[in-house]
Amino acid sequence: AQSVSQHNHHVILSEAASLELGCNYSYGGTVNLFWYVQYPGQHLQLLLKYFSGDPLVKGIKGFEAEFIKSKFSFNLRKPSVQWSDTAEYFCAVRNPNYGQNFVFGPGTRLSVLP
Amino acid sequence: DAGITQSPRYKITETGRQVTLMCHQTWSHSYMFWYRQDLGHGLRLIYYSAAADITDKGEVPDGYVVSRSKTENFPLTLESATRSQTSVYFCASREWPRTEGTDTQYFGPGTRLTVL
Repeated sequence: AQSVSQHNHHVILSEAASLELGCNYSYGGTVNLFWYVQYPGQHLQLLLKYFSGDPLVKGIKGFEAEFIKSKFSFNLRKPSVQWSDTAEYFCAVRNPNYGQNFVFGPGTRLSVLP
Repeated sequence: DAGITQSPRYKITETGRQVTLMCHQTWSHSYMFWYRQDLGHGLRLIYYSAAADITDKGEVPDGYVVSRSKTENFPLTLESATRSQTSVYFCASREWPRTEGTDTQYFGPGTRLTVL
């Protein structure tokens, strides 16, 4: 079965610090990759996605992620975080040849201190 | 454009009672999904549906029942609620992936269910 792991359960940063959240998945074939964000009390929103092509993907709000196939990774980055980035971040993977399901990671809670 | 809505947003019930959580989407998306979100587990898929009258189990289907008589609605029923079903439930939908890049799920606001 596919699985998705996220390295950090809770990350605490000061404003203007750089962010990198790790995501690794278990499946070795073609995958579609996603990062979702959940702000406090809100539903999940798509930050960015990767299907093919340039492995460096840019999303909304200054976020980007890099797909490294050899490492089965899709890490999320932001050069300078803001207090408003405080949220929970979920990595998700879908194997388009293996049904319609997304597999979500357990999430990483980001707290940005003003 | 309402998108995807869930009702109720909050529900408290007692062990053994039947509870139905509603999900409605206005996009005519083919696929609909039910997830539960629990601390430390992220989102886990309960059931999904590829189209009206087509449903399939996800990772944690036990204790839940779904139906999809219309494309836009996908209710989730807890036939006899248990405390372990206390969770936040998210409904999601996505269109049939015609082209690359349309494979994105859109989530509803969630229903926070407490079983006493």
